[in-house]
Amino acid sequence: AQTVTQSQPEMSVQEAETVTLSCTYDTSENNYYLFWYKQPPSRQMILVIRQEAYKQQNATENRFSVNFQKAAKSFSLKISDSQLGDTAMYFCAFRTQGGSEKLVFGKGTKLTVNP
Amino acid sequence: EAGVAQSPRYKIIEKRQSVAFWCNPISGHATLYWYQQILGQGPKLLIQFQNNGVVDDSQLPKDRFSAERLKGVDSTLKIQPAKLEDSAVYLCASSPGVGGYGYTFGSGTRLTVV
Repeated sequence: AQTVTQSQPEMSVQEAETVTLSCTYDTSENNYYLFWYKQPPSRQMILVIRQEAYKQQNATENRFSVNFQKAAKSFSLKISDSQLGDTAMYFCAFRTQGGSEKLVFGKGTKLTVNP
Repeated sequence: EAGVAQSPRYKIIEKRQSVAFWCNPISGHATLYWYQQILGQGPKLLIQFQNNGVVDDSQLPKDRFSAERLKGVDSTLKIQPAKLEDSAVYLCASSPGVGGYGYTFGSGTRLTVV
């Protein structure tokens, strides 16, 4: 069974600075997807960034980028130029390619951006 | 396009009562998911539908939880009887179909069992 571990329950960062959220996962699959979701108090899960395991190049979406280390099964999220609106819960998630394709989530990291 | 609609937004019930949640996915999305998110944890899949057929319900407590997706569109999730440990946010999500990764989540229903 796949598992996702987020070892940082809470983190804080000053506005405009950079923060990195950690995620490790365990799987025997070779083809899969990894995601970072943001969940603000409104509760809706918002996709931040995704990475296909077969791609060596790290994904980037504006201020958000990932460091994907497939051999180490590590998938960290870097947020540059942090903004107050980035304050939220962040979940790392894994999804197999094929099968039921359900998302398996970590426990989340609560990120607070301070002014 | 309209998002995934869920209702009610909040629900408080006493233990042993029954409750139902409703989800309307994005139009044309074949796959629908119900996730349970207990406070302090990440969401956990309860059941996945492909059109109106069940793909995965391995983590659904079938003695008290049931779900259906009529005509492959709307879905309802029911709990009967509810237990204190069922207090959680119930998230519905939909995607275009197997093989796509365009998940869209609703805002969830927060259930409190007292």
